[in-house]
Amino acid sequence: ETGVTQTPRHLVMGMTNKKSLKCEQHLGHNAMYWYKQSAKKPLELMFVYNFKEQTENNSVPSRFSPECPNSSHLFLHLHTLQPEDSALYLCASSQDRSSGNEQFFGPGTRLTVL
Amino acid sequence: AQRVTQPEKLLSVFKGAPVELKCNYSYSGSPELFWYVQYSRQRLQLLLRHISRESIKGFTADLNKGETSFHLKKPFAQEEDSAMYYCALRKGGRNQGGKLIFGQGTELSVKP
Repeated sequence: ETGVTQTPRHLVMGMTNKKSLKCEQHLGHNAMYWYKQSAKKPLELMFVYNFKEQTENNSVPSRFSPECPNSSHLFLHLHTLQPEDSALYLCASSQDRSSGNEQFFGPGTRLTVL
Repeated sequence: AQRVTQPEKLLSVFKGAPVELKCNYSYSGSPELFWYVQYSRQRLQLLLRHISRESIKGFTADLNKGETSFHLKKPFAQEEDSAMYYCALRKGGRNQGGKLIFGQGTELSVKP
């Protein structure tokens, strides 16, 4: 598959579970992003990675832990989440984080926390 | 603080009618403005950006720094334009982080 892929597409987890979201981009990009899209709220940037280094953490609670092992893969590790964390989590990538570079989005993972 | 406001949650028009989706922003520097679109069951994708000054699928948007607006316009709406539209802002210049700030989105519904 080309572009940005995310797995799983849907995830239901309990508050005590540990799970991970995966994002992979096949575009040769160097910057990757996690966004959260909650109902009735704008898309919120969570994390930015540029050349595998985290360059932005938008005051995200520590129960969300990102990992970027290489420029093509980005993970979001989840543990002891709350029901209000239920949302659509979108991954995106761009050539790098400089201005002028288009961000390409994945299809998202729909997360439900029970 | 930077902010993007889309005042309309839903905009409903008839096919062939003109469309204007409003976007206002607050940012003291030189912003980059974008419109993203999400069609039903498809992923979010870039529609157009102000620096390109292009027309995509008949849509145009002009950055008005005096009014801090970046409204999206199309003279004759088509049914296939029905989608969610998001206005987004990014700080201009190199090494500004790539952070996009999104508005809440406007759902455009074009009726036959």
